[in-house]
Amino acid sequence: DSGVTQTPKHLITATGQRVTLRCSPRSGDLSVYWYQQSLDQGLQFLIQYYNGEERAKGNILERFSAQQFPDLHSELNLSSLELGDSALYFCASSVAGTKNNEQFFGPGTRLTVL
Amino acid sequence: GDSVTQMEGPVTLSEEACLTINCTYTATGYPSLFWYVQYPGEGLQLLLKATKADDKGSNKGFEATYRKETTSFHLEKGSVQVSDSAVYFCALSDASGGSYIPTFGRGTSLIVHP
Repeated sequence: DSGVTQTPKHLITATGQRVTLRCSPRSGDLSVYWYQQSLDQGLQFLIQYYNGEERAKGNILERFSAQQFPDLHSELNLSSLELGDSALYFCASSVAGTKNNEQFFGPGTRLTVL
Repeated sequence: GDSVTQMEGPVTLSEEACLTINCTYTATGYPSLFWYVQYPGEGLQLLLKATKADDKGSNKGFEATYRKETTSFHLEKGSVQVSDSAVYFCALSDASGGSYIPTFGRGTSLIVHP
């Protein structure tokens, strides 16, 4: 158990809908990362937050947004969903988000868009 | 931008065989290097890391050496077990505009037969 929790575990929805994925980092970790894992694209970094502020952006679509709240939990919002958004979404946390920091991954949320 | 290239899998071995999974990278800065492992149905977890040239990371019988001259970080194990069956990800963390962007390889599946 990494100490990172993600809800829900599974999500099935329809094209055009909007969903929210939730992540609680390990106790004491200030940095949260979001990733998308799919068979064709591999593991893609989406976005990083550090202590409530956006720190780095990766391959995140404009239809996707995220935030980190004062209690350090984070939410990833996916809107106008398309079939191609079906994937595993991982959240990870680290102490400070610096170059050498290990990331601790949650179990993931499997999103299926029908 | 930065990139990580791993050998394609699956790699299929018999128990007690030697393992090498190749990983090479391109980076604009001086990255830290990581190997993560993902067991079926779980999130990624750190296997080992190295933060500067010639450093050797090791854990659970696995090891990898940071080779700056060949931009490589190959994962090795002398004798694999069935329980090592998993997907292995090579990753780097590099500075970009004041933050540290994680980049992952596509993963290499390892299957170990008794």
